[in-house]
Amino acid sequence: ETGVTQTPRHLVMGMTNKKSLKCEQHLGHNAMYWYKQSAKKPLELMFVYNFKEQTENNSVPSRFSPECPNSSHLFLHLHTLQPEDSALYLCASSQVTALGYTFGSGTRLTVV
Amino acid sequence: AQSVSQHNHHVILSEAASLELGCNYSYGGTVNLFWYVQYPGQHLQLLLKYFSGDPLVKGIKGFEAEFIKSKFSFNLRKPSVQWSDTAEYFCAVNAGNNNDMRFGAGTRLTVKP
Repeated sequence: ETGVTQTPRHLVMGMTNKKSLKCEQHLGHNAMYWYKQSAKKPLELMFVYNFKEQTENNSVPSRFSPECPNSSHLFLHLHTLQPEDSALYLCASSQVTALGYTFGSGTRLTVV
Repeated sequence: AQSVSQHNHHVILSEAASLELGCNYSYGGTVNLFWYVQYPGQHLQLLLKYFSGDPLVKGIKGFEAEFIKSKFSFNLRKPSVQWSDTAEYFCAVNAGNNNDMRFGAGTRLTVKP
């Protein structure tokens, strides 16, 4: 257990479904992140939240919608996804970036 | 934005062999540099990091990395690998004044017993 908990661990969804990924940390960190990990590609930064405010959106399609209700929780709402969105979605948190991130174990998403 | 290149996609070594994994980044300013490791079925873990000072950084499990500013490189090394080092290794960089971190594509290391 890393201190960053992601649920569910695995998710299979159809292209017309709506689902949400959840990330929770109780490390006292004030920044949280969503990354997408696809095979043989760099981890792609999707969203950055500092003190609950979204500070970065790396041209992510609108079918991915993040939500950060407080500094301990981060959600990624999914709707009308495509098969190419199948990947491992990683949540991370940090206090100060220079100290490095703490990653969750990820949610393995399969879109059918 | 900064980018990170890891040129080796898959490295296969025998136990006790020496390891060097390449990492180059493209950013001209102050950077913080990291290596993360992901063991099979596990989460990403921080292996070592460089902020400033001695360019030779020592991390956990006998790993070290050397920051060579003139080459924009931060290569990871280990003198003698073990079977348990089989994992995927990611280099990452963030610019000194922001908090988004960019990762390389990763290098898969397979150590044969």
